Amino acid sequence: GAGVSQSPSNKVTEKGKDVELRCDPISGHTALYWYRQSLGQGLEFLIYFQGNSAPDKSGLPSDRFSAERTGGSVSTLTIQRTQQEDSAVYLCASSLAEGFGYTFGSGTRLTVV
Amino acid sequence: SQQGEEDPQALSIQEGENATMNCSYKTSINNLQWYRQNSGRGLVHLILIRSNEREKHSGRLRVTLDTSKKSSSLLITASRAADTASYFCAPHPGANSKLTFGKGITLSVRP
Repeated sequence: GAGVSQSPSNKVTEKGKDVELRCDPISGHTALYWYRQSLGQGLEFLIYFQGNSAPDKSGLPSDRFSAERTGGSVSTLTIQRTQQEDSAVYLCASSLAEGFGYTFGSGTRLTVV
Repeated sequence: SQQGEEDPQALSIQEGENATMNCSYKTSINNLQWYRQNSGRGLVHLILIRSNEREKHSGRLRVTLDTSKKSSSLLITASRAADTASYFCAPHPGANSKLTFGKGITLSVRP
């Protein structure tokens, strides 16, 4: 597609349920990031995929969070046993390569009730 | 990894005035990027300046980079109400390094 696509755009879930957030990067982009942003805050780095290298998972806040990128394209961020503090906008970005700017998706607004 | 620290945290100007936003960082970089965010959704890439560049222009945007001072500035000339947004800088260390962001600058342009 022409841009980075994220789905769903909004998700309301009950505390304790699992959620899956999807990111479709721009075709051919080798780098893919996940960030989250709480209301009025900056972007918190979660995880980084670069080509076939092992992902940098250093930003994942707990073992309830995991992400995978299948075939170097689509990525899924999974949050298990959601908590209210997980409520945030989850943003995905992709880039052709290092030295290029990143294209962001519109994000998924997750609300845990 | 490193993140940029933007300054000021908030800026309010009149339409037509210029807006200057600053970014400082701590370690060496390969490039530095500026992004804009409207209404809490996805960021839009504005401009990328490489470590061997000192100044770059794109329309009403002018970015400078001083690697000796580890700082960058973003100048928006002849601001418009539509420039109202949050602005983030992202210093990129280079190979296999993650891109991280500071808290951003909230720019308000009064019509």
